[in-house]
Amino acid sequence: DGGITQSPKYLFRKEGQNVTLSCEQNLNHDAMYWYRQDPGQGLRLIYYSQIVNDFQKGDIAEGYSVSREKKESFPLTVTSAQKNPTAFYLCASQQGLNNEQFFGPGTRLTVL
Amino acid sequence: GQQLNQSPQSMFIQEGEDVSMNCTSSSIFNTWLWYKQDPGGGPVLLIALYKAGELTSNGRLTAQFGITRKDSFLNISASIPSDVGIYFCAGLYYNNNDMRFGAGTRLTVKP
Repeated sequence: DGGITQSPKYLFRKEGQNVTLSCEQNLNHDAMYWYRQDPGQGLRLIYYSQIVNDFQKGDIAEGYSVSREKKESFPLTVTSAQKNPTAFYLCASQQGLNNEQFFGPGTRLTVL
Repeated sequence: GQQLNQSPQSMFIQEGEDVSMNCTSSSIFNTWLWYKQDPGGGPVLLIALYKAGELTSNGRLTAQFGITRKDSFLNISASIPSDVGIYFCAGLYYNNNDMRFGAGTRLTVKP
């Protein structure tokens, strides 16, 4: 089946530790995105990548880093510099600039 | 970046009732999208609108792309318990990756 997968579904980390969230897609989409979702708010863009080996900062990139070494994969690292990392993180992919984005199931990160 | 103004924030309705929610923006979009998010999951695309004035249906769902290109609404007819969730609107600017989201409408359907 084609789709976007994120793992793990739930993640717990101690404050001060870096953590990497996985996002994989087999839709052959060029563009991939990372969003953060907090209660009662819309999705906020962290980073996006239009092609392999290229990525751009979104609205709230501070404290996060990404890589895009393969078309299928766009991992997000939440660093210790992110002041409020506990949130629900969503990955999405898109084929073409004018088309809709398709979302993964999300990873809920809790930093203790 | 600017987010969209989505209303209402939440709705509590009886099964069988119709539902209406909308999104507005001060900016023009080229594509309007409506997503539904179930608890603990990712948003799932319900309807995509590509032309001003376009009215599109998907089962009991109907959505319209406003003539001014600054607004869109979503109607759900004859609601059922599985309609429960958070509905998001999203606007896409032409030829770029800038997609903006509303804050969501949380729908509760009482049997």
